[in-house]
Amino acid sequence: EDKVVQSPLSLVVHEGDTVTLNCSYEVTNFRSLLWYKQEKKAPTFLFMLTSSGIEKKSGRLSSILDKKELFSILNITATQTGDSAIYLCAPYSGGYQKVTFGIGTKLQVIP
Amino acid sequence: NAGVTQTPKFRVLKTGQSMTLLCAQDMNHEYMYWYRQDPGMGLRLIHYSVGEGTTAKGEVPDGYNVSRLKKQNFLLGLESAAPSQTSVYFCASSSPEGASYGYTFGSGTRLTVV
Repeated sequence: EDKVVQSPLSLVVHEGDTVTLNCSYEVTNFRSLLWYKQEKKAPTFLFMLTSSGIEKKSGRLSSILDKKELFSILNITATQTGDSAIYLCAPYSGGYQKVTFGIGTKLQVIP
Repeated sequence: NAGVTQTPKFRVLKTGQSMTLLCAQDMNHEYMYWYRQDPGMGLRLIHYSVGEGTTAKGEVPDGYNVSRLKKQNFLLGLESAAPSQTSVYFCASSSPEGASYGYTFGSGTRLTVV
């Protein structure tokens, strides 16, 4: 059975802080790892990582994948109130053409 | 661009009633999925389809049925609703090549069974 564990489950920080969100996974036929941001409605895509040690960056957000140790981290620097959301980690299993989602980390950024 | 459209957006059912949730996508995607999202449980796959006329069970299929008669539509049916099916339902789609790059999600249907 595929497993995805995210930590912490929730986090409250002040604007300007840096946060690190963790994701460990066990899936068969791993192809890629996806990060999503979910505000009030549907999840929106942030990153896709396929290779270990490759750091993806998009503005203040960056992510690293370690395929040997089966984990990924999502970093957000200089947090803003607009970063408040649930962040979902989701490994993609090519064998079943499906994505397994973690429970998510709920991030709240206060002014 | 419509993307993935779910109808209805909200619904309240009585226990034992039936209903169908409709998902429509205009991106010519082969793959379509139904997820439910509950507090503390994350997104869980109910059923999915890798092409017109094909469906497969996901992680939590009991109490649900699906049909994919047309490529652009994926229907989720509840034959006899139960309070345990109170949830937010998301439909998603992707192309085979793009599946590893993530899905396009609909805006969700909030269902309450009383």
